[in-house]
Amino acid sequence: DTGVSQDPRHKITKRGQNVTFRCDPISEHNRLYWYRQTLGQGPEFLTYFQNEAQLEKSRLLSDRFSAERPKGSFSTLEIQRTEQGDSAMYLCASSLPGGYTFGSGTRLTVV
Amino acid sequence: DAKTTQPPSMDCAEGRAANLPCNHSTISGNEYVYWYRQIHSQGPQYIIHGLKNNETNEMASLIITEDRKSSTLILPHATLRDTAVYYCIAFSYGGSQGNLIFGKGTKLSVKP
Repeated sequence: DTGVSQDPRHKITKRGQNVTFRCDPISEHNRLYWYRQTLGQGPEFLTYFQNEAQLEKSRLLSDRFSAERPKGSFSTLEIQRTEQGDSAMYLCASSLPGGYTFGSGTRLTVV
Repeated sequence: DAKTTQPPSMDCAEGRAANLPCNHSTISGNEYVYWYRQIHSQGPQYIIHGLKNNETNEMASLIITEDRKSSTLILPHATLRDTAVYYCIAFSYGGSQGNLIFGKGTKLSVKP
């Protein structure tokens, strides 16, 4: 499979717990993006990396959120002390100039 | 990035052409028009993009007006599997923001 892979597909966690999601981009893509999508809305940008450098962060990315891309390959998104408002689909995308490829997302439910 | 405006929903009969409009009256000269679609519970899927000229690929055609203030995505023979939310985005890869900005899109329902 040469697409963008996200793991896990679904995550249910209790409020206050920490969660970590993983994204494996298409190998030759140097840019990697994280988005969040809530019901009925379009995806909202969170952050992006060019290789291992995190170049931009949205105001949506509170202090409880951290993203890394240590070797410029896969990326992780961690949410600390989860809240019910964090329940959403978290999407990863990777790109070269001209086109983005999205993964299938991780659906997080905070109970 | 320029803001785009799309109707919230549209219906189309199976086998007919689906024409999805998008207004992007403030688009700048270096911004492309991108179309993505999102089928329920999946990530957005790239459809097509263009700058000035009309474009066609195996999925769809993109018609951009001469003044570039609006465009139309055409699915020539819609099937039930084309039921999805369609997003029109004006984007410059080298722009100040390196990310696609999604609106709410158009929910296309293809009916038998």
